Amino acid sequence: QVQLQESGPGLVKPSQTLSLTCTVSGGSINSGGSYWNWIRQHPGRGLEWIGYVYYSNTHFSPSLKSRATISVDTSKNQFSLNLNSVTAADTAVYYCARDTGASGIGSFDFWGQGTLVTVSS
Amino acid sequence: DIVMTQSPDSLAVSLGERATINCKSSQSILNSSNNKNYLTWYQQKPGQPPKLLIYWASTRESGVPDRFSGSGSGTDFSLTISSLQAEDVAVYYCQQNHNLPYTFGQGTKLEIK
Repeated sequence: QVQLQESGPGLVKPSQTLSLTCTVSGGSINSGGSYWNWIRQHPGRGLEWIGYVYYSNTHFSPSLKSRATISVDTSKNQFSLNLNSVTAADTAVYYCARDTGASGIGSFDFWGQGTLVTVSS
Repeated sequence: DIVMTQSPDSLAVSLGERATINCKSSQSILNSSNNKNYLTWYQQKPGQPPKLLIYWASTRESGVPDRFSGSGSGTDFSLTISSLQAEDVAVYYCQQNHNLPYTFGQGTKLEIK
């Protein structure tokens, strides 16, 4: 059973870069043609898809495209999110999630537990 | 972007009764080439990540109790819990995966009356 675990700083200063890593265990990040996604949830609010990496291809929400990058480190079985020039509006719980395509591409069948990132000086 | 709108925002139902949550998309999310609606339902309990319940609008994910069912096509969809159990208390989200960017409804909080 694949498991995902987010890690990274819980506090980031405004204007700096938010960097998170998702470690995949129980399976290879390179196998099966999965899409590896980042999704966030602002406190007490709904869900916002950030983007995905599929092999070496990435796609982002237009609202974040200019600030976000996602990369994969196959040697560590990890994928990472960088979000630059953060503001308080980027305070959220950040989830990594896998889309195997088995439930239709774009459905997220495995999620990490999430990590809260607070943007504050 | 496709806007997903759920109703109601919150819902209180007695144990054993039926609960229905509605979801409307701002444009059709029916793929005419395979006749599938790209609509997914998730359940989120406090302190947990969302859990996939139903995909393609009406297909239950493996292990999801059969009291959960999804219906609808085009722009109008519903999630029904036929007989509410205490463990079903959660926030439910719909999501379209027809177009990028993927978008979610605002959530419906389901409680026990």
